[in-house]
Amino acid sequence: DTAVSQTPKYLVTQMGNDKSIKCEQNLGHDTMYWYKQDSKKFLKIMFSYNNKELIINETVPNRFSPKSPDKAHLNLHINSLELGDSAVYFCASSPGDSSLTDTQYFGPGTRLTVL
Amino acid sequence: AQSVTQPDIHITVSEGASLELRCNYSYGATPYLFWYVQSPGQGLQLLLKYFSGDTLVQGIKGFEAEFKRSQSSFNLRKPSVHWSDAAEYFCAVAQRAGAGSYQLTFGKGTKLSVIP
Repeated sequence: DTAVSQTPKYLVTQMGNDKSIKCEQNLGHDTMYWYKQDSKKFLKIMFSYNNKELIINETVPNRFSPKSPDKAHLNLHINSLELGDSAVYFCASSPGDSSLTDTQYFGPGTRLTVL
Repeated sequence: AQSVTQPDIHITVSEGASLELRCNYSYGATPYLFWYVQSPGQGLQLLLKYFSGDTLVQGIKGFEAEFKRSQSSFNLRKPSVHWSDAAEYFCAVAQRAGAGSYQLTFGKGTKLSVIP
């Protein structure tokens, strides 16, 4: 069974479109995250949710909006896509017991290409 | 703010040779440190983590890392590299962010190539 899954795995779209990436975890974790990995492989946190509450909201354009319908899902919606949004987006989850000994488990990533 | 530096962008080793990947961190308090591996086209997998106690940490796939506070380092080692170890390796430091969340700050990664 896949612990953290993302759909789609690849997403190719035109500039100006709106798209969503879905993430689901079956680990029973309370906290979920979105990371962006740019073309140079640099990973940066974007958002985190704990029990459907937004905790981390890094400096990202407000065209990016995370949505957490329940603890097991954290979706990423992107409006008015731009060329610079092309990247690999990773979802992750952790138990969320406020301990730094938590481990974050990563999904396989979604490669977004904006043309 | 915390930061992580991985000085080596790309390292090439022969299969069977030993490996050391360098990681230096900047963090005011006790650091919580991680090493992740990313195989081509895959997500990130945790190799090992350090929180406290023994400064030599054992991980999966035969990897180990040593925390040296005096040098602000957390270098990853493996005594004998296998071709399947070819991947991108990321060092990260954690900082509490709020209820149930902590923020991982990653280094820029070191790409490991293995010569058969």
